[in-house]
Amino acid sequence: DAGITQSPRHKVTETGTPVTLRCHQTENHRYMYWYRQDPGHGLRLIHYSYGVKDTDKGEVSDGYSVSRSKTEDFLLTLESATSSQTSVYFCAISESRQGADTIYFGEGSWLTVV
Amino acid sequence: AQSVTQPDIHITVSEGASLELRCNYSYGATPYLFWYVQSPGQGLQLLLKYFSGDTLVQGIKGFEAEFKRSQSSFNLRKPSVHWSDAAEYFCAVAPYSSASKIIFGSGTRLSIRP
Repeated sequence: DAGITQSPRHKVTETGTPVTLRCHQTENHRYMYWYRQDPGHGLRLIHYSYGVKDTDKGEVSDGYSVSRSKTEDFLLTLESATSSQTSVYFCAISESRQGADTIYFGEGSWLTVV
Repeated sequence: AQSVTQPDIHITVSEGASLELRCNYSYGATPYLFWYVQSPGQGLQLLLKYFSGDTLVQGIKGFEAEFKRSQSSFNLRKPSVHWSDAAEYFCAVAPYSSASKIIFGSGTRLSIRP
């Protein structure tokens, strides 16, 4: 298994509060991703990073921000959580940006916004 | 725009029976194609991928998939399923240039009948 650790694994938070999810990797892979998984939608890309301090938006980036100050850590922040952000969040990594490259996933973080 | 369709939301098969999960894609050129499996409460794990060469691809856990360009399909097969194969299966497509552009289907949940 790829060395990807997500924290927290489960969180319940109130609407309007900030939330930060952390992804830590031990593989020294350059690319890191945050996806959300919702029933009927598969996985959708929120943000990704192609290096320290280099990030870009994905398909569903509104309401989310990210930061990457070290190769091994990629943080996802919900500045003011809403109920529509209740979801399962997956961090993923890949060695390169090539489409054929395997993407490795963490075990997920379950977030409930009440 | 590229897209992936998994027409079956939920499939139930008997243990020992054969399995075929359908995947159709829409893409302008030959894409990179993937099948991932997700066990309950876990992240996604790569089963197999195709990007060139032999159109029949072997993967882990006894799975295989066949790329059919004329039908824009990449169906996943297994000759004899085991109870441990119960999981959700995701087909995905990515362009050559960027793993960040990978698109996931909405998934097919596989149940195994004893």
